[in-house]
Amino acid sequence: DAKTTQPPSMDCAEGRAANLPCNHSTISGNEYVYWYRQIHSQGPQYIIHGLKNNETNEMASLIITEDRKSSTLILPHATLRDTAVYYCIVRVGGSGTYKYIFGTGTRLKVLA
Amino acid sequence: DGGITQSPKYLFRKEGQNVTLSCEQNLNHDAMYWYRQDPGQGLRLIYYSQIVNDFQKGDIAEGYSVSREKKESFPLTVTSAQKNPTAFYLCASSIGLLRSSGNTIYFGEGSWLTVV
Repeated sequence: DAKTTQPPSMDCAEGRAANLPCNHSTISGNEYVYWYRQIHSQGPQYIIHGLKNNETNEMASLIITEDRKSSTLILPHATLRDTAVYYCIVRVGGSGTYKYIFGTGTRLKVLA
Repeated sequence: DGGITQSPKYLFRKEGQNVTLSCEQNLNHDAMYWYRQDPGQGLRLIYYSQIVNDFQKGDIAEGYSVSREKKESFPLTVTSAQKNPTAFYLCASSIGLLRSSGNTIYFGEGSWLTVV
C-alpha cells in the first residue's frame, strides 16, 4: 500500500502561509492524494485532492511535484481556526476494492 | 441535509459485552468505511464496504464485525474479543469507485466508546 509521511508538528504565525509537506514516494500513477484536517474529537474535514496538476480551492492550494513523490498543502493566510491535525492520504487498491490509508498527520498550531 | 450520522456519540461498555455502533448515510454513496482512532494517533481502517452485501477487512479487523444489508447503513459491532476497545470510532462514505476516479471520502462526527 502507498504510504504517506508527514512531519509530526508545525507552527505558523497567524496571517502567514502555512506550508505542510507530505511524502508519498510509493504512490502509483492513478492514485489521488487527498488532504483532510481534524479538529479534536470531530470527524476529519475534506480540504482538497489532486492527481498530477496543482489544485486550488477556497480553502487551500495543493502543489504536487512532477514525479508525484511528494506534495505540499498551502493555507495562504493561516488563522487561529486552522489549528488542527492535517492528514495527507492516498486511496489505494484496484479491481473493485479501494481503501483510504491515513498516516499520523501533522499537528499544525497557528500562533497569534 | 445530506450527511453521515453516527450514534450514539458516547457509549460505555462493560467487559465481555458486545456493542453496536450505528452509521447511516443519505448521500447515496456506494462505499462505506469504519476507522478507529486512539488518543493522539491517526486513523486505522477496521472494515470497508464497496457495495451492499459485501465488505472487506481493513488493517485492524480482529474483534470487530460489520454488516451491509442496506446501502445507507453500515453498523459496526465491537465484540468481546476486542481486548482494548476504548477509542474514537469514525464512519465514512464515498461515491462508488466505478462512478468517479477522484472520490472524496466524507466522515461522520464519530462515536466515543469507553470500557468500564
